[in-house]
Amino acid sequence: DAKTTQPPSMDCAEGRAANLPCNHSTISGNEYVYWYRQIHSQGPQYIIHGLKNNETNEMASLIITEDRKSSTLILPHATLRDTAVYYCIPVSGAGNMLTFGGGTRLMVKP
Amino acid sequence: DADVTQTPRNRITKTGKRIMLECSQTKGHDRMYWYRQDPGLGLQLIYYSFDVKDINKGEISDGYSVSRQAQAKFSLSLESAIPNQTALYFCATSDNTPPYGYTFGSGTRLTVV
Repeated sequence: DAKTTQPPSMDCAEGRAANLPCNHSTISGNEYVYWYRQIHSQGPQYIIHGLKNNETNEMASLIITEDRKSSTLILPHATLRDTAVYYCIPVSGAGNMLTFGGGTRLMVKP
Repeated sequence: DADVTQTPRNRITKTGKRIMLECSQTKGHDRMYWYRQDPGLGLQLIYYSFDVKDINKGEISDGYSVSRQAQAKFSLSLESAIPNQTALYFCATSDNTPPYGYTFGSGTRLTVV
């Protein structure tokens, strides 16, 4: 599975967009990019995933570069409840275990 | 009711004791997983099962065993608990095909004294 690099922490003002980057330069052609978040010590929560195209759902948008070596998760209007650790995880189609790195600790401030 | 239920939610046990953590799911997923999380770190895979007859070791299986009693049930055992197994334990399920639909339980906080 591809390795990922995420900044260990980021701050964002409440109401502003939070842009969380992820580098996955070794990603292979059949690996999806998944984003999960973990609020405090709760179980990780699915946010969004993509393969090649940009994706949007009710929670967030995912922008994947054309070469697929990096992606950005966008929370368009961050709230205090979005404070969490965000994990970017490549997942292959064959064996789909989630391998968690250190993630990015996002702090949304009033 | 939660899709993935873990019991107990919290447990304190003594060194050397055998303990079992249980997980049940109503998602109808074939695949189930056990993860461990140490403070401030990401989740690490202990064991996983792709169906009732399939059990596989993850990256940190030493000191643990599992049992897949049915499609809906996957239990994790610590045969002889030690203090460095103090951690948060998560059970998860997933579908066989993308987008997989990973669903996590609420976790079991285990303390070994």
